Amino acid sequence: EEQLVESGGGLVQRGGSLRLSCAASRFTFSTYWMHWVRQAPGKGLEWVANIKPDGSEKYYVDSVKGRFTVSRDNAKNSLYLQMTSLRAEDTAVYYCARARAGAMDTVDYWGQGTLVTVSS
Amino acid sequence: DIQMTQSPSSLSASVGDKVTITCRASQSIRSYLNWYQQKPGKAPNLLIYAASSLQSGVPSRFSGSGSGTDFTLTISSLQPEDFATYYCQQTYSIPTTFGQGTRLEIK
Repeated sequence: EEQLVESGGGLVQRGGSLRLSCAASRFTFSTYWMHWVRQAPGKGLEWVANIKPDGSEKYYVDSVKGRFTVSRDNAKNSLYLQMTSLRAEDTAVYYCARARAGAMDTVDYWGQGTLVTVSS
Repeated sequence: DIQMTQSPSSLSASVGDKVTITCRASQSIRSYLNWYQQKPGKAPNLLIYAASSLQSGVPSRFSGSGSGTDFTLTISSLQPEDFATYYCQQTYSIPTTFGQGTRLEIK
């Protein structure tokens, strides 16, 4: 069964930086669109960013543009999210997620999530 | 950005009931609509994609319908494991956006 394992979450001060990683296994990582989706405590889902299989296209929600960067290393089957200038409102569980084969935005597999807490 | 509005926000029902959750888009999204189920402390799980296609492994009591701006998720006969929060998601345009969620509780 496919596996996505996030890491890198933790407590960071406002204005600080953090890099999330997602290790993928048991599927051909290099052929799938990948996403980061977050969920603030007790709140709903918010899509954050995605990246094309070859890394040539990346998209972001407006609230993180210029602060977050999504990247991938297909040789290492890994997805990353570099987060800078963190704000209290970035506090959330961050999920790494895979789109359905041949699709861009329909996520069919999620990691367990990693919690990012931004202290003010 | 396309706004997705779900109704109701919460719902109480009993095992065996038929339940319908509605999702409305702020503009036409054709059939680019997905439904997810999320249980507490867990990642979401894809139920329905492209408005009405059942994801592999999802029980047939779940069904989806609609196109344009109005969509529904129906659970034909609630089972104990169905009590969860449900989200719709549009994938018609970037950024993809989710509804606020519908919490389905046991009556």
